[in-house]
Amino acid sequence: KQEVTQIPAALSVPEGENLVLNCSFTDSAIYNLQWFRQDPGKGLTSLLLIQSSQREQTSGRLNASLDKSSGRSTLYIAASQPGDSATYLCAVGSSKTGKLIFGQGTTLQVKP
Amino acid sequence: ETGVTQTPRHLVMGMTNKKSLKCEQHLGHNAMYWYKQSAKKPLELMFVYNFKEQTENNSVPSRFSPECPNSSHLFLHLHTLQPEDSALYLCASSPGQNYGYTFGSGTRLTVV
Repeated sequence: KQEVTQIPAALSVPEGENLVLNCSFTDSAIYNLQWFRQDPGKGLTSLLLIQSSQREQTSGRLNASLDKSSGRSTLYIAASQPGDSATYLCAVGSSKTGKLIFGQGTTLQVKP
Repeated sequence: ETGVTQTPRHLVMGMTNKKSLKCEQHLGHNAMYWYKQSAKKPLELMFVYNFKEQTENNSVPSRFSPECPNSSHLFLHLHTLQPEDSALYLCASSPGQNYGYTFGSGTRLTVV
């Protein structure tokens, strides 16, 4: 059974820092991995989608990497801003079940 | 706006009430999903529809009844719910099951 773990569960950093959020998964049989952002009480906003054949994707200050063989992905946020404060969710698409499996998220606070 | 619209945004209902949640997408996607997000738990997949046909029921109690009249609309009919059903209910769509998902803003449901 695919399990997705995100570490740390919460993170607080001063504005301007570069930071890394981690996601690990137990089964490498995936078709893609997606990073989402969720603001309190709101829906999910897709940030980056990495297909299983890709190693990384970039959008602005965000960079996500994927290492399928080791079951890991990282989300790198450069020059963090208070507006980046949110919960970041990692989800893997299982090629065995066709389901999108979510981690519990990392709640980020960026202090001015 | 993500292209996936959910209504209502908030709903309070008694345990004997019947209500419906609505999800609409005009992205041309063929797959639609219902997820449940409870406090401090990962998102839980409830139902999957592909080309209007239900392809997944993740052991959801019968008090939740989905309906997909066409590829653009998805409903979740609710009746005789329990207080523990209070959660954020999220709808998502994708071009197919092996593609990235687009989420709506969710319906915050409170059962009293």
